[in-house]
Amino acid sequence: SQTIHQWPATLVQPVGSPLSLECTVEGTSNPNLYWYRQAAGRGLQLLFYSVGIGQISSEVPQNLSASRPQDRQFILSSKKLLLSDSGFYLCARGGPNYGYTFGSGTRLTVV
Amino acid sequence: AQTVTQSQPEMSVQEAETVTLSCTYDTSENNYYLFWYKQPPSRQMILVIRQEAYKQQNATENRFSVNFQKAAKSFSLKISDSQLGDTAMYFCAPTYDYKLSFGAGTTVTVRA
Repeated sequence: SQTIHQWPATLVQPVGSPLSLECTVEGTSNPNLYWYRQAAGRGLQLLFYSVGIGQISSEVPQNLSASRPQDRQFILSSKKLLLSDSGFYLCARGGPNYGYTFGSGTRLTVV
Repeated sequence: AQTVTQSQPEMSVQEAETVTLSCTYDTSENNYYLFWYKQPPSRQMILVIRQEAYKQQNATENRFSVNFQKAAKSFSLKISDSQLGDTAMYFCAPTYDYKLSFGAGTTVTVRA
């Protein structure tokens, strides 16, 4: 199983509050993991990716950070949310050879 | 990241008919992969079809097929015998390194 667990499904947070979104995956060890953000009616933008524990690469400068404390755990965080952080956040695993699997996503609204 | 262009924001098709979605991309890589993903109203991302750039044969998956033109950097998706369940947003996504880069998507509506 390559199941991805993402929670919460929906989150409403005030501006300036902290954020922690968690993603855990099942299946083969040492997966490549990704965080994507999707603005309303738009495509997915890659935020972070990780090829192993403690290894995080950022694709775009932003108000967010990511961590991978365990092999199958990937966390997206912010110390102080901005209105522009609102969006749909998707965790994914995989690679080009076997394809990519996505979690069910978290809809974040910053108010 | 790559630039991925899906020039058709919306497409409408009659049930049982055929629709073709266009995608062009920009890459400097020679070996890469291309994907089409479907996102229904549930927002779950579902893999539709996968193509390896080094293979000349176009991929097919049941009613879904692609027309891959490597020199033109074009990767179109054809949906044959459209069904109501095909209503969704469709994303073209080529890889760079091992990461996916997404187009803005095409919303496909299948009419009964």
